[in-house]
Amino acid sequence: KAGVTQTPRYLIKTRGQQVTLSCSPISGHRSVSWYQQTPGQGLQFLFEYFSETQRNKGNFPGRFSGRQFSNSRSEMNVSTLELGDSALYLCASRAGYTDTQYFGPGTRLTVL
Amino acid sequence: GQQLNQSPQSMFIQEGEDVSMNCTSSSIFNTWLWYKQDPGEGPVLLIALYKAGELTSNGRLTAQFGITRKDSFLNISASIPSDVGIYFCAGQRNNAGGTSYGKLTFGQGTILTVHP
Repeated sequence: KAGVTQTPRYLIKTRGQQVTLSCSPISGHRSVSWYQQTPGQGLQFLFEYFSETQRNKGNFPGRFSGRQFSNSRSEMNVSTLELGDSALYLCASRAGYTDTQYFGPGTRLTVL
Repeated sequence: GQQLNQSPQSMFIQEGEDVSMNCTSSSIFNTWLWYKQDPGEGPVLLIALYKAGELTSNGRLTAQFGITRKDSFLNISASIPSDVGIYFCAGQRNNAGGTSYGKLTFGQGTILTVHP
């Protein structure tokens, strides 16, 4: 079974721009969670989607948003990029009946 | 944000030695997970623990879910060079309000270096 895939793997943007990241979960997994990883803050939860509905959200500003499609694929959008948004963005999928999350390889976002 | 207290922060060991790391929290967790992350990659699941007191092995790795549900440890026996990486513990809390859906809380990681 194929793992979680994320595209693109690397992105370079400038301040003020917006960016969209994509995540395809493991086949059959309906839950997708997004995390931000930085050296200073570690791994921080952004939000979780299940069956196209956002069920949980972390403590991030409204510039961070997401959505999930009927095939469980998810996208994350960051608007008005700031330098501090530079990070590794990870998505993870899980089957609805278990807490075990499987991570993708991440998207490395650099904001200049 | 809330973090688990993971220790040690880093370890430098010789190949063949055993390794032990742990995570503690002031809160109860219903699931404990251990991951390994290589530079520039996503975390890879090593072991999942679902019940207090549970002891689970995966090859040379052994992990336990603490009886109090507030801690967990991971042991690696007979380390080899490919064990190098960052190890993370993660906990999942469940509550009736559903505010923990899909949210893992992570430790700060243990950087493991293995000298041949």
